Amino acid sequence: KAGVTQTPRYLIKTRGQQVTLSCSPISGHRSVSWYQQTPGQGLQFLFEYFSETQRNKGNFPGRFSGRQFSNSRSEMNVSTLELGDSALYLCASSSTGTQSYNEQFFGPGTRLTVL
Amino acid sequence: DQQVKQNSPSLSVQEGRISILNCDYTNSMFDYFLWYKKYPAEGPTFLISISSIKDKNEDGRFTVFLNKSAKHLSLHIVPSQPGDSAVYFCAASDGYIPTFGRGTSLIVHP
Repeated sequence: KAGVTQTPRYLIKTRGQQVTLSCSPISGHRSVSWYQQTPGQGLQFLFEYFSETQRNKGNFPGRFSGRQFSNSRSEMNVSTLELGDSALYLCASSSTGTQSYNEQFFGPGTRLTVL
Repeated sequence: DQQVKQNSPSLSVQEGRISILNCDYTNSMFDYFLWYKKYPAEGPTFLISISSIKDKNEDGRFTVFLNKSAKHLSLHIVPSQPGDSAVYFCAASDGYIPTFGRGTSLIVHP
């Protein structure tokens, strides 16, 4: 079974721009969660999508948004980029999602650098 | 305010010895705990989990202990191997949003 894939792997943007990251979950998984990892901050939960609906949301500003398609693929968008948005963005999939305690399978992440 | 704390940013252990990674939490609503391992340039991979109704769970060389009264859990790796060198994240869940610690970097010396 193919793992979680994320594209692109690396991205460089400038302040004020917007960016879209993509995640393809493991086949059959309906839940996709997004996390931000910054140095010394661990993984911070952004949001979870399940069957095309946002089911849970972390404590991030509205500049961070996402969506999920009918094939469970998900995209995350960050508008009006700030320097502090530089981070590793991780996507994780699971069959039933965070609300059932399933362990999540993570992708390799997208490294976003904002200049 | 960190709800899940891994107070040791790094840990160095000799091959063959025991590695003990610690994690403290503050939210009494957490009832499921997980450990993930992360190698550089890869996403975290699930290692082991424990429900709050248990106080111990074993999987091969890995054992997780949960002390609910102290709101503390630990991951024991015995014996430690150089391939165990990675960053270990503790995570806690209340059934909704998982909360991760900041990670502990484990180095196992040959």
